[in-house]
Amino acid sequence: KQEVTQIPAALSVPEGENLVLNCSFTDSAIYNLQWFRQDPGKGLTSLLLIQSSQREQTSGRLNASLDKSSGRSTLYIAASQPGDSATYLCAVDRTGTASKLTFGTGTRLQVTL
Amino acid sequence: GAVVSQHPSRVICKSGTSVKIECRSLDFQATTMFWYRQFPKQSLMLMATSNEGSKATYEQGVEKDKFLINHASLTLSTLTVTSAHPEDSSFYICSARTGGLDTQYFGPGTRLTVL
Repeated sequence: KQEVTQIPAALSVPEGENLVLNCSFTDSAIYNLQWFRQDPGKGLTSLLLIQSSQREQTSGRLNASLDKSSGRSTLYIAASQPGDSATYLCAVDRTGTASKLTFGTGTRLQVTL
Repeated sequence: GAVVSQHPSRVICKSGTSVKIECRSLDFQATTMFWYRQFPKQSLMLMATSNEGSKATYEQGVEKDKFLINHASLTLSTLTVTSAHPEDSSFYICSARTGGLDTQYFGPGTRLTVL
């Protein structure tokens, strides 16, 4: 059974800092890994999707890396802003058809002024 | 593009009543829709997968008679929580996927509170 873990569970950083969120998964037989953002009481917004054949993806201040063999992914946020405060979830797709997504436990990020 | 809406956003009901939650894909046809449940400070757990015009596939441990799912059109799926109890209080999120099998697009969620 695929298990996805995110560390740390919560993180507070001052504005402007660079930070790294971690995601690990137990079964390396995945097709892709996706990072989402969830604001309190809201749905999910997709941030980055990395195919299993890729090593990293970048979007603006966000960079996600994937090491499939070791079962790890990181989300790097550069120059953090208060607007980045949210819960970040990673999810692995083990079917290749965006059907059976297994979500991690999430990291609650707070960026302070 | 790829917007998914849910209605209602928040509902409070008495124990024993049934509640219906709607999930709509606004600007695309969703061949498949998914229903998730999220308890406080926990991650999303897939409840069921529904394909338009066919019966939903439920995950292990999810009671199909309690959580009725209907996917009658390519833009609408409904989740009915029957005879709701306080332990059913949760955040329910739907998502939709096109035939392109690229990714799931998530709705804003529905907060259900059963008194």
